[in-house]
Amino acid sequence: QVQLQQWGAGLLKPSETLSLTCAVYGGSFSGYYWSWIRQSPGKGLEWIGEITHSGSTNYNPSLKSRITISVDASNKQFSLKVNSVTAADTAVYYCARGNHFTGWKEWDYWGQGTLVSVSS
Amino acid sequence: DIQMTQSPSSVSASAGDRVTITCRASQNIRTYLNWYQQKSGKAPEVLMYAASTLQSGVPSRFSGSGSGTDFTLTITSLQPEDFATYYCQQSYTSPWTFGQGTKVEIK
Repeated sequence: QVQLQQWGAGLLKPSETLSLTCAVYGGSFSGYYWSWIRQSPGKGLEWIGEITHSGSTNYNPSLKSRITISVDASNKQFSLKVNSVTAADTAVYYCARGNHFTGWKEWDYWGQGTLVSVSS
Repeated sequence: DIQMTQSPSSVSASAGDRVTITCRASQNIRTYLNWYQQKSGKAPEVLMYAASTLQSGVPSRFSGSGSGTDFTLTITSLQPEDFATYYCQQSYTSPWTFGQGTKVEIK
């Protein structure tokens, strides 16, 4: 059974850096797209970006200038950093596995979510 | 970006009812359409991919249809555990985008 477990700081001040990590338990790490998705009341669900086990990344252009997604394939972990956060970055952040083996790249496993609040 | 628009935003229904949710894409996405269910305080769960293929373990009372720009999710005989928010999501072109959600509430 595949499980994604995520962690990171939940309270940040404006201009700080958001940092989250997601560990994958069970299943293969290679061959999938490992994504970060966030959910805020104002913007709903928003895809942030994704990375493969080999480190190829794909970012949402709306966030690209501020985000970095990295991977530690040997430990089956991937991470998200968002620079210069503002209140608009307040959201629940999820990690998720993108399954392209079906051909449709649906997110079939998700982490438990981390509430990140940005406030001075 | 491809805009995904769901309707209605919310629907009140009773157990046993049939519920239909519509999702419209701002451009042709063929059948690159996935549906998710989210219960309060939980992560979304995939219900369906390729517009009409049920994820393993999803009950057959859920069905999907459509291609191009117009899609529907239908729940026949609504069960208590189906009261949740449903999202469509396109996987045709990056950035991958979601609809705003449809909340299915108890009447």
